[in-house]
Amino acid sequence: QQQVKQSPQSLIVQKGGISIINCAYENTAFDYFPWYQQFPGKGPALLIAIRPDVSEKKEGRFTISFNKSAKQFSLHIMDSQPGDSATYFCAASKWGSTLGRLYFGRGTQLTVWP
Amino acid sequence: NAGVTQTPKFQVLKTGQSMTLQCAQDMNHEYMSWYRQDPGMGLRLIHYSVGAGITDQGEVPNGYNVSRSTTEDFPLRLLSAAPSQTSVYFCASSYSGAGRYNEQFFGPGTRLTVL
Repeated sequence: QQQVKQSPQSLIVQKGGISIINCAYENTAFDYFPWYQQFPGKGPALLIAIRPDVSEKKEGRFTISFNKSAKQFSLHIMDSQPGDSATYFCAASKWGSTLGRLYFGRGTQLTVWP
Repeated sequence: NAGVTQTPKFQVLKTGQSMTLQCAQDMNHEYMSWYRQDPGMGLRLIHYSVGAGITDQGEVPNGYNVSRSTTEDFPLRLLSAAPSQTSVYFCASSYSGAGRYNEQFFGPGTRLTVL
């Protein structure tokens, strides 16, 4: 059973536009939701993360929105740039869990056209 | 700090061969894990370790073995390679202070092809 569902699988956005990637989870015990960014040939790198005591977190052009009742969270990239073209993974976990296990979505390949 | 390092970067094996993928970290992280990444499947957990001498299975452990004799190293062994194990393998580690197991740092990956 897939713990975290991510959509869309691919996304094409024009430079300056807004990129939106959505994720949904099932396990109500999850309380830590990171987003990872991966460039071709590289390992994933932590981009931004949120804990459910807040409904939104913003870092520069990247914003996570969180809806606890709907068990959904999303990544918004404002003023998208060609350098943002990468694969984005959402994930979920129980913060501070000894096991530290992350459950990943299947990824979204973002292409930003100049 | 070098962070998380993985060797080799690329490897081609024949069906039935065995090999070890190496992973090392110099951040004194207690938690380490192995993932495989396949197109359209995201990152799937193979095995993980919460400290030296302690390992456990993840989502897709069949065909793989691990051991953790030191905090720094977490090798992944393929016992008898199969074409279904063709994938990109990532090692990750986490800082263990203040319960921060979830902030994982990934290595650059090993691209494995099994013929």
